Amino acid sequence: AQSVAQPEDQVNVAEGNPLTVKCTYSVSGNPYLFWYVQYPNRGLQFLLKYITGDNLVKGSYGFEAEFNKSQTSFHLKKPSALVSDSALYFCAVRVSGYSTLTFGKGTMLLVSP
Amino acid sequence: EAGVTQSPTHLIKTRGQQATLRCSPISGHTSVYWYQQALGLGLQFLLWYDEGEERNRGNFPPRFSGRQFPNYSSELNVNALELEDSALYLCASSFKQGANEKLFFGSGTQLSVL
Repeated sequence: AQSVAQPEDQVNVAEGNPLTVKCTYSVSGNPYLFWYVQYPNRGLQFLLKYITGDNLVKGSYGFEAEFNKSQTSFHLKKPSALVSDSALYFCAVRVSGYSTLTFGKGTMLLVSP
Repeated sequence: EAGVTQSPTHLIKTRGQQATLRCSPISGHTSVYWYQQALGLGLQFLLWYDEGEERNRGNFPPRFSGRQFPNYSSELNVNALELEDSALYLCASSFKQGANEKLFFGSGTQLSVL
């Protein structure tokens, strides 16, 4: 079975400060990891993915994520937060093309001016 | 290029009725996924269709069903609606069923069961 945990329901950060949204996963096999963002009344938008290779993955809107195999983590980061980054963020994992994409419960990011 | 489209945007039903939700994938995408997003529960996987066949099913009762048409559009049916079925239902599509294929999501259908 595969699962994803996002331990924080909400993360608060001031604009201009760095942000981290945490994600840990549990799979049997090599993971394919994704981050998605959901703005109010919208569907999910793809941010970035880790397949293999470099543990630091860069994505859209200045976001990046670091894959750590020993800690089974895939934390989302951004060096300088914007108010417009405020949204609901989902981490997701799958192990093969025949498995479904399993999502965490989401973390609400609130960036204050 | 048009994205994933879902209809209707909002749907209000009463307990015991049936609901039908529709999804059109991005042109060229053959895989369609359905997820339920209920408050506090994140995204729960419902169904996955590819090339007209049901490939996988989440942990939902049989009253949740669906199908995929030859043009790859899809329909989700929920019979005997219950109050707890109230949620945002999201459809997503992908080009093929590779593990590294990202999903493209529609804006969802908000189902309210009264």
